[in-house]
Amino acid sequence: DQQVKQNSPSLSVQEGRISILNCDYTNSMFDYFLWYKKYPAEGPTFLISISSIKDKNEDGRFTVFLNKSAKHLSLHIVPSQPGDSAVYFCAAYSNYQLIWGAGTKLIIKP
Amino acid sequence: GAGVSQSPSNKVTEKGKDVELRCDPISGHTALYWYRQSLGQGLEFLIYFQGNSAPDKSGLPSDRFSAERTGGSVSTLTIQRTQQEDSAVYLCASSLSAANYGYTFGSGTRLTVV
Repeated sequence: DQQVKQNSPSLSVQEGRISILNCDYTNSMFDYFLWYKKYPAEGPTFLISISSIKDKNEDGRFTVFLNKSAKHLSLHIVPSQPGDSAVYFCAAYSNYQLIWGAGTKLIIKP
Repeated sequence: GAGVSQSPSNKVTEKGKDVELRCDPISGHTALYWYRQSLGQGLEFLIYFQGNSAPDKSGLPSDRFSAERTGGSVSTLTIQRTQQEDSAVYLCASSLSAANYGYTFGSGTRLTVV
């Protein structure tokens, strides 16, 4: 039973445009939601998070939106840059454990 | 150290052999996590340590898998009698405490069982 789902295995976006990565979850008890970014042969690195009591958090080019009624969150990257090409993992935190989605590979085309 | 260090970075082993994977967390981080990522899959939780104790071992796939942590620091994940399905990237992460979700990951150990 997947509690955190990323239904798009990959996404291709033109450089300069907006990238939107989506994530759905099933457990309404999650406290925080996080996005991690992973380059090949490296461990995931923390990108941005949002508390379950908020609906938006912004950090530079990255904004995370949380829709609790739909149990959906999204990561917006604008403008997209070549260095953003990576696998993005959505994760939900509750009671010391992070539950991870399967990841979405983002490809930024020049 | 400055980051989470894992060794070896790559390990190729024959089916049936035992392997040990090592994780050296960030100094002062009391919580330590082991995950694995199989090809095309998300991160699969294996085990979590708070200090030297492991409150949650529920993610270990079978009794061939075990882990320990000594001195509240270095952790070793041991896989006995390796099978081909054990092939994956094994990732270790640490955080200040279990209540802190800011995990720092190591670069992982890529295990290939042939």
